[in-house]
Amino acid sequence: EVQLLESGGGLVQPGGPLRVSCAASGFTFSNYAMSWVRQAPGKGLEWVSTISGNGVYTYYADSVKGRFTISRDNSKNTLYLQMNSLRADDTAVYSCAKHSGYYYDSWGQGTLVTVSS
Amino acid sequence: QSVLTQPPSVSGAPGQRVTISCTGSSSNIGVGYDVHWYQHFPGTTPKLLIYGNSNRPSGVPDRFSGSKSGTSASLAITGLQAEDEADYYCQSYDNSLSGWVFGGGTKLTVL
Repeated sequence: EVQLLESGGGLVQPGGPLRVSCAASGFTFSNYAMSWVRQAPGKGLEWVSTISGNGVYTYYADSVKGRFTISRDNSKNTLYLQMNSLRADDTAVYSCAKHSGYYYDSWGQGTLVTVSS
Repeated sequence: QSVLTQPPSVSGAPGQRVTISCTGSSSNIGVGYDVHWYQHFPGTTPKLLIYGNSNRPSGVPDRFSGSKSGTSASLAITGLQAEDEADYYCQSYDNSLSGWVFGGGTKLTVL
């Protein structure tokens, strides 16, 4: 059974950094692209970033490009999202999702990131 | 606003049929990228409902069906049940943005 477990969320001041993680199990992690998707309070789903299975290729939404960095450690079956220069509008639940081609077949429960002073 | 456009809300009585539209453009749905649909109950993880425009994962009832034409796609739900009350999102890929895109979501209310 695929399991995705996010951690690392919390309260951070505007302009500050935060790293969230996603521990994966139940599948061969390195064979699959992974994404981060977020949902701000009262809003819809928003794609944030994607990384290929081997970690070579990365993709970012314009709203986070230059501030967020996605990475993975296939030896630890873990996905990361390093978030810098955080803004109030980055406040959201951040979920990792496993790709099957161009769609997502498994999601984590998410971790809440709150950007506020 | 979202790259893919969905109605904010739809409603129907138990047993009825409802459809949810998803309108894109020539850089996503119109250029041939598939549309996928998710069912999301607040506080839970989204569930894949339809992939590749019209395919249902195992375990998804055949009351749910998807279609695509031109720059748009639709999700149809027949025999509406109270348990179908949830948020529904369409998703595709956009080659001008070089990224994955979601619709704004549609809240389904079962009257």
